[in-house]
Amino acid sequence: TQLLEQSPQFLSIQEGENLTVYCNSSSVFSSLQWYRQEPGEGPVLLVTVVTGGEVKKLKRLTFQFGDARKDSSLHITAAQPGDTGLYLCAGGSGGGADGLTFGKGTHLIIQP
Amino acid sequence: EAGVAQSPRYKIIEKRQSVAFWCNPISGHATLYWYQQILGQGPKLLIQFQNNGVVDDSQLPKDRFSAERLKGVDSTLKIQPAKLEDSAVYLCASSFGGSGSPLHFGNGTRLTVT
Repeated sequence: TQLLEQSPQFLSIQEGENLTVYCNSSSVFSSLQWYRQEPGEGPVLLVTVVTGGEVKKLKRLTFQFGDARKDSSLHITAAQPGDTGLYLCAGGSGGGADGLTFGKGTHLIIQP
Repeated sequence: EAGVAQSPRYKIIEKRQSVAFWCNPISGHATLYWYQQILGQGPKLLIQFQNNGVVDDSQLPKDRFSAERLKGVDSTLKIQPAKLEDSAVYLCASSFGGSGSPLHFGNGTRLTVT
């Protein structure tokens, strides 16, 4: 069974600060996706990374996929209250059964 | 485009009762997933359909859970009989399929078993 460990589990910071959350596994994934989930809603895709060492930027969010494709990080610059939410990483193993394995998520609160 | 539709939004039942959830995926999406999200945890895959065939149901508790997607579009997930530990949000997602394809989630059904 492939497991994804996310850290920290909870993070509360002030508006304007920077932060990094992590997603680690002992397994290799063919792709890794990051989702954001708000209360009462389903997760919404932020980014997909597929190549070891890949870095993708989405405005103030920077995503990195580890060289060995076992870990990933999400860095947010100058956090805003609208960034508040549950950040989930999900790994894909490829092949026909391509249902994603999710981590438990990082609960992020940005205080104004 | 219209998103993934799920109903009902909330359901409260007593243990040992049965319950069913419905999902209508995004038009054209061949792959449909049911996930269970217990409070404070990430979603856990229950079952994956490709059109109307089951691709993966290895984590579905088959003694009480069943799911079908008869015409390759809508899907229903049933629990019979429900247990207290089934209290969770049940999320339906769809995608075009294939490794790395993004999942589009509905807003889920929050089930409370008392």
